[in-house]
Amino acid sequence: GENVEQHPSTLSVQEGDSAVIKCTYSDSASNYFPWYKQELGKRPQLIIDIRSNVGEKKDQRIAVTLNKTAKHFSLHITETQPEDSAVYFCAASIRNTGRRALTFGSGTRLQVQP
Amino acid sequence: EAGVTQFPSHSVIEKGQTVTLRCDPISGHDNLYWYRRVMGKEIKFLLHFVKESKQDESGMPNNRFLAERTGGTYSTLKVQPAELEDSGVYFCASSQERGKTQYFGPGTRLLVL
Repeated sequence: GENVEQHPSTLSVQEGDSAVIKCTYSDSASNYFPWYKQELGKRPQLIIDIRSNVGEKKDQRIAVTLNKTAKHFSLHITETQPEDSAVYFCAASIRNTGRRALTFGSGTRLQVQP
Repeated sequence: EAGVTQFPSHSVIEKGQTVTLRCDPISGHDNLYWYRRVMGKEIKFLLHFVKESKQDESGMPNNRFLAERTGGTYSTLKVQPAELEDSGVYFCASSQERGKTQYFGPGTRLLVL
């Protein structure tokens, strides 16, 4: 089955700096890669996602890149703010099949220091 | 629209007892998923319903876990009898048919003593 590894497990940056979280996946059939943000005590919320036919996607200060050949994808947050502090999860799945379960990475706890 | 809701938000039970968790998906979402996060590790898939049918239950850890979705609306996840290692946060998520985004509920924090 699919295996997703995520690094680092914790990340501390100064406000205004950039943060990068990296994930690798094992199943070359995976074609959908969402990122979820979970603030303390709240539900995981989708912040950005990317499909395998796209190499990069941006949404304001957040961007995700995908390297299908290397089977890795990354989340980039620029101009970080204290409210970006949360646990971030990457995930992978195979869309357009009966099985749509997400396989998650272990999470990255991002701390943005004011 | 109302989001995914889960009940209870917290549950503390003793080993050997039974607990039933409930998930109400977003109205009209045929796909319903159960996940859990144990001991701060990754969120792991348990099973997937399409309407009332179990599409994929490959993540269910053992036969102490029973999930149902009678009528294709809300779902329940029963743990009987509960063991210490069942402690964790149980998340439910739902998505539209053929939709890509899974919307998560707030989770049920289960502690088995």
